Amino acid sequence: GDSVTQTEGQVALSEEDFLTIHCNYSASGYPALFWYVQYPGEGPQFLFRASRDKEKGSSRGFEATYDKGTTSFHLRKASVQESDSAVYYCALGMNYNQGKLIFGQGTKLSIKP
Amino acid sequence: DMKVTQMPRYLIKRMGENVLLECGQDMSHETMYWYRQDPGLGLQLIYISYDVDSNSEGDIPKGYRVSRKKREHFSLILDSAKTNQTSVYFCASSLGVNQDTQYFGPGTRLLVL
Repeated sequence: GDSVTQTEGQVALSEEDFLTIHCNYSASGYPALFWYVQYPGEGPQFLFRASRDKEKGSSRGFEATYDKGTTSFHLRKASVQESDSAVYYCALGMNYNQGKLIFGQGTKLSIKP
Repeated sequence: DMKVTQMPRYLIKRMGENVLLECGQDMSHETMYWYRQDPGLGLQLIYISYDVDSNSEGDIPKGYRVSRKKREHFSLILDSAKTNQTSVYFCASSLGVNQDTQYFGPGTRLLVL
């Protein structure tokens, strides 16, 4: 079945470091791909979405490029801040899934000041 | 300003009591969702509603039921709550169904004693 894999369960960085969180997917069709961020005590917040090969999504300094060849949608940010500490979720949606999103297990990002 | 609201934000109930969680959205979205989130298990889909009185089971519907009598309002009901239903519950909404972005509420933290 369709699935999303985030290889890093936790990432620890210092301020101004470069961030990469890996997201790979497995799907039989053409999924829409999403990134969400969840701060402690809050609900997941939509960051951005991409739905076709080579499309780049971006928001708040974060970006990811849909890569159908490598089935990936890796999240990157050039210079992280302490306020970026949160859990990040990659998700996919299929047009035959009756609205369901399949979420990865999440990556907890901790930024040391 | 697009918004999903949830009431109450915190709730303590005794085992066997009935629980009503409320969700509202002001975006005229067709589709609404209920999830629960537990440590280590990520987001699990309980129910989807495609419109008024058009509801469908998600991945873990057992022990829950839902009600949607107005497009902007979606309720989750626990008849005779159990201790293993202690969790954080999130409501979400999306404009349509397939591959649409879901917008989440702030969550309800439920403790069943």
